[in-house]
Amino acid sequence: GNSVTQMEGPVTLSEEAFLTINCTYTATGYPSLFWYVQYPGEGLQLLLKATKADDKGSNKGFEATYRKETTSFHLEKGSVQVSDSAVYFCALKASDSSYKLIFGSGTRLLVRP
Amino acid sequence: DTAVSQTPKYLVTQMGNDKSIKCEQNLGHDTMYWYKQDSKKFLKIMFSYNNKELIINETVPNRFSPKSPDKAHLNLHINSLELGDSAVYFCASSQDGQGGRFGSGTRLTVV
Repeated sequence: GNSVTQMEGPVTLSEEAFLTINCTYTATGYPSLFWYVQYPGEGLQLLLKATKADDKGSNKGFEATYRKETTSFHLEKGSVQVSDSAVYFCALKASDSSYKLIFGSGTRLLVRP
Repeated sequence: DTAVSQTPKYLVTQMGNDKSIKCEQNLGHDTMYWYKQDSKKFLKIMFSYNNKELIINETVPNRFSPKSPDKAHLNLHINSLELGDSAVYFCASSQDGQGGRFGSGTRLTVV
C-alpha cells in the first residue's frame, strides 16, 4: 500500500543552521508530494508541493525535490530561524486517488536562539 | 477571513455522551475532509465529501457520522464517546484533491 516515512524527531538546531528532514514514500504510479507545517496550537498549513518527478517545490526558504529514483522528498532550508520551530509533515496523494492524503508521522523541529 | 473554521476549539465531555463538531469553508472548494490526530501527532483521514457526496470512509467506528448539508459545510457527529476518541480533529478542504487547507483543529477530551 501507499505510505510515507519520515525521520523521527525531535530535530534540534541552532539558529542559522542548515536543516534537512528526510521523507521517503512508497506508492504505485506517480504520486503528488507535499510538505505541511503545524505551528504550536494551530492547524496544518501547506508549505510546498511537487506533482511530478524532478519538480522542486519551494516556499519561505524551504525546498524539496521530488526524486523518483530514490522515492524521496527531503525538506531542506539553508538557514533556520527560531520561528521555524514546528512539526513538519510529509504527505502524498496517490495517482489513483484524487482526494486522499497520506501523512508521515511528523518531525518536530526545535530551533534554539 | 478564516478560510476553514471549525467549532468548538476545545471540547471536554464524559464517556457515553454524544457530541458534534462543525466545519465551514469559504474557499469555494468542492471537497472537505475530517482527519484525526492522535497524541503522537499521527494524522489519519477519516472521511471525505465531494460536492456533498461521501467519497472516502476509512475504517472508522460507526459511532462517527459525518454530515454535509452543503458544499461549504461538513459536520462530524460522534455517538457514545469513548476514552480512545480523545484526539485533535481537523477539518480540511481542497479543490481537485490538490493539497488542502486545514482548520485549526478541535481538541476533544473524553473523561
